[in-house]
Amino acid sequence: QSALTQPPSASGSPGQSVTISCTGTSSDVGGYYYVSWYQHHPGRVPKLLIYEVTKRPSGVPDRFSASKSGNTASLTVSGLQAEDEADYFCSSYAGDKKYVIFGGGTKLTVL
Amino acid sequence: EVQLLESGGGWVQPGGSLRLSCEGSGFTFSYYAMTWVRQVPGKGLEWVSAITGAGTRTYFADFVQGRFTISRDNSRNTLYLQMNSLRAEDTAVYHCVRDRHQEVNWYFDLWGRGTLVSVSS
Repeated sequence: QSALTQPPSASGSPGQSVTISCTGTSSDVGGYYYVSWYQHHPGRVPKLLIYEVTKRPSGVPDRFSASKSGNTASLTVSGLQAEDEADYFCSSYAGDKKYVIFGGGTKLTVL
Repeated sequence: EVQLLESGGGWVQPGGSLRLSCEGSGFTFSYYAMTWVRQVPGKGLEWVSAITGAGTRTYFADFVQGRFTISRDNSRNTLYLQMNSLRAEDTAVYHCVRDRHQEVNWYFDLWGRGTLVSVSS
């Protein structure tokens, strides 16, 4: 059982938007602005999509956006493309004992 | 090419030791904090340990309980994880990951493919 809760799957048609949630507690997601999101295509290494809740590293398309409300962070993929089909997982700083915890991942299918 | 390459994994009996290595290439290694993250088979990711770019500060997950040591040799562009008193529950693929900054910032912009550690009798 992962520390952060994500839906196991999500799907959308090309051009649509999909939002993936990442739920934690006030001791992690709700308590800090160190939420990040990663994209993981099978056979490749994970790619950082979002850091510090909403920031995109250079090179990440602005189709990827994120937010946080209370203990839940969300990643939205707009204008879905076939290459967006991948696993997406979140992580959060969780204080001086646990440091970083991860979500279990969401498999995004582009229909 | 910017990449991280782990090595040193393998099979070890409970109570044994292993030293993992991670060589970075294509970037200035000392500019970045580094972290070990593991994935237990069939389960999610677990953060293990981190070290600042200069190697002056280290961080460990509670489950390490003094058994692991993280270090780095910036002259060799290499990160290490010395694992002692290994337990069956330490069986996992261990990934070396790069932080975005020299100080630990808790998110990772470069991942290695990992090295498998298997602890069993």
